Amino acid sequence: GIQVEQSPPDLILQEGANSTLRCNFSDSVNNLQWFHQNPWGQLINLFYIPSGTKQNGRLSATTVATERYSLLYISSSQTTDSGVYFCAVRGGSNYKLTFGKGTLLTVNP
Amino acid sequence: DAGVIQSPRHEVTEMGQEVTLRCKPISGHDYLFWYRQTMMRGLELLIYFNNNVPIDDSGMPEDRFSAKMPNASFSTLKIQPSEPRDSAVYFCASSQNWEQFFGPGTRLTVL
Repeated sequence: GIQVEQSPPDLILQEGANSTLRCNFSDSVNNLQWFHQNPWGQLINLFYIPSGTKQNGRLSATTVATERYSLLYISSSQTTDSGVYFCAVRGGSNYKLTFGKGTLLTVNP
Repeated sequence: DAGVIQSPRHEVTEMGQEVTLRCKPISGHDYLFWYRQTMMRGLELLIYFNNNVPIDDSGMPEDRFSAKMPNASFSTLKIQPSEPRDSAVYFCASSQNWEQFFGPGTRLTVL
């Protein structure tokens, strides 16, 4: 099956800093999603981005499908951005999402 | 829309008891998924349905686990008998046109 690797595994920032999270995947994909799992455990959809670039406020994402990676940019980070960021991909004709192990982000005031 | 609804949000039970987790997908979504999240194994897909029909249950750990979807607005995941190693957060998700949306999860503790 598809392998998904996320980096870095952990990241600590001061409020206001910018960051880039990376997701590498081992095969071609039909679907890629970024999620934020907040400290209360909720999985929140950030982006559905199988290719191209999208922006939503301080967050943006880029997927380069031909090179098998996706990047999530967080600008002017806030303490509420803390949590785990997951990349999940789907390949082939089935509906299975394969999740990476996530990046644990801590934003300090 | 209210999003995916799960109940209960927390469940504490004793080993050997039957546990039933419930899920109401987003209206109009034709795919429903059950996931389990643990520290050791991360997020694992257990089973998914399309139009109420189970499509792939290869992630269901063993016969103690069963899932049903009697109609488009309701699904259950049952564990009988429960064991301490089943302790985890169980998520339900639904989808239409590929993007999956997750419910708040049920945190299960089996003593």
